[in-house]
Amino acid sequence: AQSVTQPDIHITVSEGASLELRCNYSYGATPYLFWYVQSPGQGLQLLLKYFSGDTLVQGIKGFEAEFKRSQSSFNLRKPSVHWSDAAEYFCAVDGGGGGADGLTFGKGTHLIIQP
Amino acid sequence: ETGVTQTPRHLVMGMTNKKSLKCEQHLGHNAMYWYKQSAKKPLELMFVYSLEERVENNSVPSRFSPECPNSSHLFLHLHTLQPEDSALYLCASSQSRTGELFFGEGSRLTVL
Repeated sequence: AQSVTQPDIHITVSEGASLELRCNYSYGATPYLFWYVQSPGQGLQLLLKYFSGDTLVQGIKGFEAEFKRSQSSFNLRKPSVHWSDAAEYFCAVDGGGGGADGLTFGKGTHLIIQP
Repeated sequence: ETGVTQTPRHLVMGMTNKKSLKCEQHLGHNAMYWYKQSAKKPLELMFVYSLEERVENNSVPSRFSPECPNSSHLFLHLHTLQPEDSALYLCASSQSRTGELFFGEGSRLTVL
């Protein structure tokens, strides 16, 4: 069965500093990978996704992520965070069932921005 | 309206009540999902409907009963819930074979 691990429950970053959120997945073949963000009291919003091709994908709000097959990782990065980036971030994997099986999510990383 | 809309946004119910959560998507998608989000736990997939047929229920207790009358609407009927069922219930939709889910803002359920 596929699984997703986000090893960091909380991360604190100063405003303007760079950010990297870690995500490791377990899946036999090449998965579809996603990063979602959730603000308090809200649903999940897609930041970016990887299906195939270029392993560095660009998303909304200045985020990017890199797929590394050898490390089974899909880490999320941002060169300079803003206070509005404080939220919960979820990595997710789709086993290629075309969405009919839903996504498997990690437990999330809570991002705190220090002034 | 656009996107995925969930009502009510907040619901408080006793253990003997019967209530329903509603989800409506305006994206033309053909798959809809219910997820449960509890504190300290990953999102749990509860139900999947593809082309209005249920394809997975993940051993969800029978006190949760889904209904998908058409490709745009999804309900979650609630009956004799337990306090541990208190959570944020998220509805999502997708166009099959893309994997990308579009989420509603959720219904916050509190069971007293």
